[in-house]
Amino acid sequence: GAGVSQTPSNKVTEKGKYVELRCDPISGHTALYWYRQSLGQGPEFLIYFQGTGAADDSGLPNDRFFAVRPEGSVSTLKIQRTERGDSAVYLCASSRDRGPGTEAFFGQGTRLTVV
Amino acid sequence: AQSVTQLDSHVSVSEGTPVLLRCNYSSSYSPSLFWYVQHPNKGLQLLLKYTSAATLVKGINGFEAEFKKSETSFHLTKPSAHMSDAAEYFCVVSDRRAGSYQLTFGKGTKLSVIP
Repeated sequence: GAGVSQTPSNKVTEKGKYVELRCDPISGHTALYWYRQSLGQGPEFLIYFQGTGAADDSGLPNDRFFAVRPEGSVSTLKIQRTERGDSAVYLCASSRDRGPGTEAFFGQGTRLTVV
Repeated sequence: AQSVTQLDSHVSVSEGTPVLLRCNYSSSYSPSLFWYVQHPNKGLQLLLKYTSAATLVKGINGFEAEFKKSETSFHLTKPSAHMSDAAEYFCVVSDRRAGSYQLTFGKGTKLSVIP
């Protein structure tokens, strides 16, 4: 596609429920990142994929959060037993290759609200 | 560990006057540095990046930034502000730690442009 696509754009869920957030990266991009942006803050790193494998999941806050990328393209961020503190904008980014100087292209995010 | 400090949470300038958004970084390795802009309800967009080449980096829309290793700074400037520059700006660092290429964001600087 032309850019990184995230669905849904908005998600409202009840506390304790399970949610899945989807990311379609730019075609051919091998690296994929998930970030979380709380109100008034900069994005915080969650997890980084190189191909199908999670190369760095050090940013996942706890074991309620999990992400997959089974075919090396689309990724799903999964949150179990959601809490009100999980409310934030979840951003996905992809890049052509890995490396600190490589530009990451961001999607518009999924705004998650836990009520 | 890497970190970024954006020295101003909010900057207000008059249209046609210079813009200065300040950023200091901390990195254990040779860093790559970026500035991203986020317009309301839009995705993050890369303005410019530094990756150990020229220390003065030119970006889109007339913005530029200078990498100063001795001051650990990467301030963003523009000679003349335009109304369309009003947005949130993020300074970002990524270092060359093996196996991980996560981006670390500052908390952001909101730029207001007064007509």
